[in-house]
Amino acid sequence: DADVTQTPRNRITKTGKRIMLECSQTKGHDRMYWYRQDPGLGLRLIYYSFDVKDINKGEISDGYSVSRQAQAKFSLSLESAIPNQTALYFCATSDGGLAVSYNEQFFGPGTRLTVL
Amino acid sequence: DQQVKQNSPSLSVQEGRISILNCDYTNSMFDYFLWYKKYPAEGPTFLISISSIKDKNEDGRFTVFLNKSAKHLSLHIVPSQPGDSAVYFCAASAFGAAGNKLTFGGGTRVLVKP
Repeated sequence: DADVTQTPRNRITKTGKRIMLECSQTKGHDRMYWYRQDPGLGLRLIYYSFDVKDINKGEISDGYSVSRQAQAKFSLSLESAIPNQTALYFCATSDGGLAVSYNEQFFGPGTRLTVL
Repeated sequence: DQQVKQNSPSLSVQEGRISILNCDYTNSMFDYFLWYKKYPAEGPTFLISISSIKDKNEDGRFTVFLNKSAKHLSLHIVPSQPGDSAVYFCAASAFGAAGNKLTFGGGTRVLVKP
């Protein structure tokens, strides 16, 4: 079973609609992240969370909001979707410890979102 | 302004030969660097990393070299295999950066021809 799961895997929606993308993890990690991937731009951080009561903006948070309902769940919402939010969205987790690999993040399979 | 850049969007190499992927960064606070590999319809997976206190790290067929003075790192894959065909992302992090944030490059698509 996958350690980090995302639903839905694909979504097509219309401009102005509210969309929620869900992420769940079984790794027991405290830290969770949302990224979007656009061609040639790599992955850019939208929001991240250290624990249930912690929410932090990333470099491109405008137009997005998040909710950390539990340690294992982190959802991303587009309040009013627009076409330039068409992208591949990834959720990731990390344990945030002091081990050598503390920077390593583990990614879900991604959600392909198309906004028409 | 991208702090991590992969200037080659694609690379084609013959099976058995060496693949060399390059990555440049501008932020001198970066002290830990990672390479991720991504297949279509899957999320990125961690491949190899290097701390700024080292200039080389090797793991099987994969070696990462770091040149801090040039703010440049490279990933060598030797010998290249068809299963190495994927998109490779370089990422960087600064110790103590809030959330252990990673800054990614734009990716290099590698095609290994049989």
